[in-house]
Amino acid sequence: DQQVKQNSPSLSVQEGRISILNCDYTNSMFDYFLWYKKYPAEGPTFLISISSIKDKNEDGRFTVFLNKSAKHLSLHIVPSQPGDSAVYFCAASDTISSGSARQLTFGSGTQLTVLP
Amino acid sequence: DTAVSQTPKYLVTQMGNDKSIKCEQNLGHDTMYWYKQDSKKFLKIMFSYNNKELIINETVPNRFSPKSPDKAHLNLHINSLELGDSAVYFCASSQAAGNGYTEAFFGQGTRLTVV
Repeated sequence: DQQVKQNSPSLSVQEGRISILNCDYTNSMFDYFLWYKKYPAEGPTFLISISSIKDKNEDGRFTVFLNKSAKHLSLHIVPSQPGDSAVYFCAASDTISSGSARQLTFGSGTQLTVLP
Repeated sequence: DTAVSQTPKYLVTQMGNDKSIKCEQNLGHDTMYWYKQDSKKFLKIMFSYNNKELIINETVPNRFSPKSPDKAHLNLHINSLELGDSAVYFCASSQAAGNGYTEAFFGQGTRLTVV
């Protein structure tokens, strides 16, 4: 039962254009959403996040949009650069059991390739 | 200066052996985690641990056990290794925020191969 879904396993974009990565979730208890970037043989690195009370968060070339009613979020990268080529994981956070700890639930990732 | 470090990076071992993966964080975080990335590339939480409680994902076999000697370390012990345990294991840490969440920082991963 996947609570966080990334339906596109891969995406190719030309350098300088916009990259849009999508993510859907099913659990309405998620209250914080994050995007992580992962290069081969490395751990995921945090990219950008958004609280469920917001609908947009921007950080340089990266913008995350949240549509709570549709349970959908997206990551926009503008302009895309070859160094952005990596696997991007969407993650959602909620509290665990008694509420004193939190956990991240990850999607399956999208391989982004930015072509020069 | 690595924030979250895991050792070893690669581990090849035979079925039935017992092995440990070490994790240390120097961020002063109060919560540490173990995640497993399976063959389908899903990152699934195995354990969440802070100085108050250990939360175990109920799907994790009891052959897996986390051990935390102190707040900066969360080691993963695996007994009687099976072929299906082959995966990449990631350690992570985060700090509980007063009203929200702070991002988790991940180690570089340990690729475990059981032969």
